[in-house]
Amino acid sequence: GAVVSQHPSWVICKSGTSVKIECRSLDFQATTMFWYRQFPKQSLMLMATSNEGSKATYEQGVEKDKFLINHASLTLSTLTVTSAHPEDSSFYICSASDPVGVRTYEQYFGPGTRLTVT
Amino acid sequence: KQEVTQIPAALSVPEGENLVLNCSFTDSAIYNLQWFRQDPGKGLTSLLLIQSSQREQTSGRLNASLDKSSGRSTLYIAASQPGDSATYLCAATSGTYKYIFGTGTRLKVLA
Repeated sequence: GAVVSQHPSWVICKSGTSVKIECRSLDFQATTMFWYRQFPKQSLMLMATSNEGSKATYEQGVEKDKFLINHASLTLSTLTVTSAHPEDSSFYICSASDPVGVRTYEQYFGPGTRLTVT
Repeated sequence: KQEVTQIPAALSVPEGENLVLNCSFTDSAIYNLQWFRQDPGKGLTSLLLIQSSQREQTSGRLNASLDKSSGRSTLYIAASQPGDSATYLCAATSGTYKYIFGTGTRLKVLA
């Protein structure tokens, strides 16, 4: 159980365009989802926390107008990178937490999405 | 503000060795401490999660311990194999339920 999927697994887009990444919890309802970014040879950095039905909370230094997060249902959160630039190229990973699970604070991670902006 | 560091940053060992990876955190008020494995270009694989009330967890050749008072966790890998080569990340969960990830240890096990 506790499976999280992401789509697409990789995407290439041109500079100035927008790209949407989906994160789904497949076998549980996730009231909270998290979005992380990982640059090559670096660790994961939390970008934002999203709660179903409310606005996302962004970490310091993350542009909320550039990284739009929508968590419209208990199984789906989306991250839209708007007006993408080459410096946005990164590995984006989402996670979801199961509030009724045995280990309440545990997050389950998706497989990641590789974004390359040309 | 929670900060998590891992030592060493990189490690290369011959096959069969027992090894210890270290994770330190600055805020001892954590809910969980979790260890992950990440293969190049891939997502995270959860290895072990230690809840704040626990001292250690074991799975196969892996054993993770937690000492909140000293702000440390260790991941012990017994009888290392080339297939264990990966980056190992620890993450601490604090009051806001956020995972703060460590800097990672890149492990290479030589055949």
